Amino acid sequence: EAQVTQNPRYLITVTGKKLTVTCSQNMNHEYMSWYRQDPGLGLRQIYYSMNVEVTDKGDVPEGYKVSRKEKRNFPLILESPSPNQTSLYFCASSTNRIPTDTQYFGPGTRLTVL
Amino acid sequence: AQKITQTQPGMFVQEKEAVTLDCTYDTSDQSYGLFWYKQPSSGEMIFLIYQGSYDEQNATEGRYSLNFQKARKSANLVISASQLGDSAMYFCAMIFSNAGGTSYGKLTFGQGTILTVHP
Repeated sequence: EAQVTQNPRYLITVTGKKLTVTCSQNMNHEYMSWYRQDPGLGLRQIYYSMNVEVTDKGDVPEGYKVSRKEKRNFPLILESPSPNQTSLYFCASSTNRIPTDTQYFGPGTRLTVL
Repeated sequence: AQKITQTQPGMFVQEKEAVTLDCTYDTSDQSYGLFWYKQPSSGEMIFLIYQGSYDEQNATEGRYSLNFQKARKSANLVISASQLGDSAMYFCAMIFSNAGGTSYGKLTFGQGTILTVHP
């Protein structure tokens, strides 16, 4: 089954404690991305990756890091989480080609930083 | 810069009736794609429908159709014969590409519209 998986699904942590949210896709997609969703703001892109070892900032990259060492994995790293990073996070992947550039989303990770 | 605007924070519709969710966009690019996603209360993002900027026909997927008016820069979602399960948040989103058709892969989202279907 084609899918994007994220772990963990729910996480409560404290300020300053480093954490990693994993993302993996099994569709051999070149493109992967991380979004955060906040009420009234829709989804905003954090980072994206066009292919292995190629990453770039989205709209709200501050406080986040990513890496793309393998095509299937795109972890999101919060080196020193702060309460304003409490949000719902989505990983997505796509073939990076229009017109069939549908983005497949993971199930989401709900993060709370105390 | 690309911008998506959904002006309806909430919409109500009676079961079995049709409803239109508004979406306008702003871009200077000629090649772009428009999407609608559904997000039920469980949180997942479900792809509904896609329209390319060069597509002359309005996209349709079952009960979903996209009313694409390029000159007005609008891409409204029409849901026919609403069902109780259609109650959810709906997001309009846009992706743009270079002249070669390769997308930059970045989706820009609107703020969303909460649709409530009444029995």
